[in-house]
Amino acid sequence: EAQVTQNPRYLITVTGKKLTVTCSQNMNHEYMSWYRQDPGLGLRQIYYSMNVEVTDKGDVPEGYKVSRKEKRNFPLILESPSPNQTSLYFCASSRAASGNTIYFGEGSWLTVV
Amino acid sequence: AQSVTQLGSHVSVSEGALVLLRCNYSSSVPPYLFWYVQYPNQGLQLLLKYTSAATLVKGINGFEAEFKKSETSFHLTKPSAHMSDAAEYFCAVLPSLQGAQKLVFGQGTRLTINP
Repeated sequence: EAQVTQNPRYLITVTGKKLTVTCSQNMNHEYMSWYRQDPGLGLRQIYYSMNVEVTDKGDVPEGYKVSRKEKRNFPLILESPSPNQTSLYFCASSRAASGNTIYFGEGSWLTVV
Repeated sequence: AQSVTQLGSHVSVSEGALVLLRCNYSSSVPPYLFWYVQYPNQGLQLLLKYTSAATLVKGINGFEAEFKKSETSFHLTKPSAHMSDAAEYFCAVLPSLQGAQKLVFGQGTRLTINP
């Protein structure tokens, strides 16, 4: 079954404590990305990756890091989380060619207190 | 730059009534267009997508959308609402450029179905 798997699904953490949200896909997709969802704003792209070792900023990259060492994994790193990063995060993957269906994970609810 | 506007952050219809969720986009190049649905506490599920083939696109669960270039619209419809359609719906645009897989989302419309 085609899947994008995120962990953890729910997390409450404190300001400044580094955390990583993992993302893994089993479809051999080249393209992966991270979005955050906030009320009234829809989803906004944080970072994306066109392939292994190729990453770039999306619309709201401040406060986040990513890496793409393997094709299937694309972790999102919050080095020093702050309350304004409290959000619902989605990982997504697709084939590289434009127009291909983009698959989303189930989301990770992150609360920073 | 691409942008998407969904008219109405909340839409409420009666069970059995027509569902109409509005989406207008702006794009400097011919776009691909998508509708996603998010059920409570779940991820995003693709309802349908327009990729420059037929302008009337049929999706899952009885939904369809019509691409109207002259109106830059991609409204989502369903003839008869079911209680199970209650969810949040997102319209998204993707420029038809090679390698550009960045979706630009609208703000979302929360659909409520009244018994």
